[in-house]
Amino acid sequence: SQKIEQNSEALNIQEGKTATLTCNYTNYSPAYLQWYRQDPGRGPVFLLLIRENEKEKRKERLKVTFDTTLKQSLFHITASQPADSATYLCALDGYGGSQGNLIFGKGTKLSVKP
Amino acid sequence: GAGVSQSPSNKVTEKGKDVELRCDPISGHTALYWYRQSLGQGLEFLIYFQGNSAPDKSGLPSDRFSAERTGGSVSTLTIQRTQQEDSAVYLCASSLDGGNYYEQYFGPGTRLTVT
Repeated sequence: SQKIEQNSEALNIQEGKTATLTCNYTNYSPAYLQWYRQDPGRGPVFLLLIRENEKEKRKERLKVTFDTTLKQSLFHITASQPADSATYLCALDGYGGSQGNLIFGKGTKLSVKP
Repeated sequence: GAGVSQSPSNKVTEKGKDVELRCDPISGHTALYWYRQSLGQGLEFLIYFQGNSAPDKSGLPSDRFSAERTGGSVSTLTIQRTQQEDSAVYLCASSLDGGNYYEQYFGPGTRLTVT
């Protein structure tokens, strides 16, 4: 069956450290993978998109990798801050690049302690 | 500029009643999505509209759920004969086009509670 899993429900780290979140999938062949941030009581906010032919994408303190062989994406936040505390969702394109909905993971709740 | 708006923000209804949830997407966005998020769960896809094409209704959990999009803009999600298991946050999103190389912009959601 098709699955998308974010390995940790919760991740607690110290301010200044690098947070690494994992997203694994099975039985999909996504052309794109996206990461979103969701704060309590709010809708998700887009952070980064990475294509299947891209190994790595960066934006400020954020870095995403995409390994289509391992069927895994890693999301890194360097020099983490308490303001980075939120739930992070990975979402993949379930249609191999054709039009259609995103498939979302359940999210990882990140807590950055000062 | 204006983002995606949803109304109402909260809705409490009695089991068996019908409810309508509204979504106003970003102007010019041709794709519109409805998702449902239950406590501790991920986003569950419900329905997807792209331009003038027939909607993808494959995520609707039962025939009590329906949605329409008028004039390629505003969308209404209707739940008939609500059940307690329908309680969730209903999120609407829009994107410039339907390909998943476009980011989705989400509204704040409607929290539905069925008593």
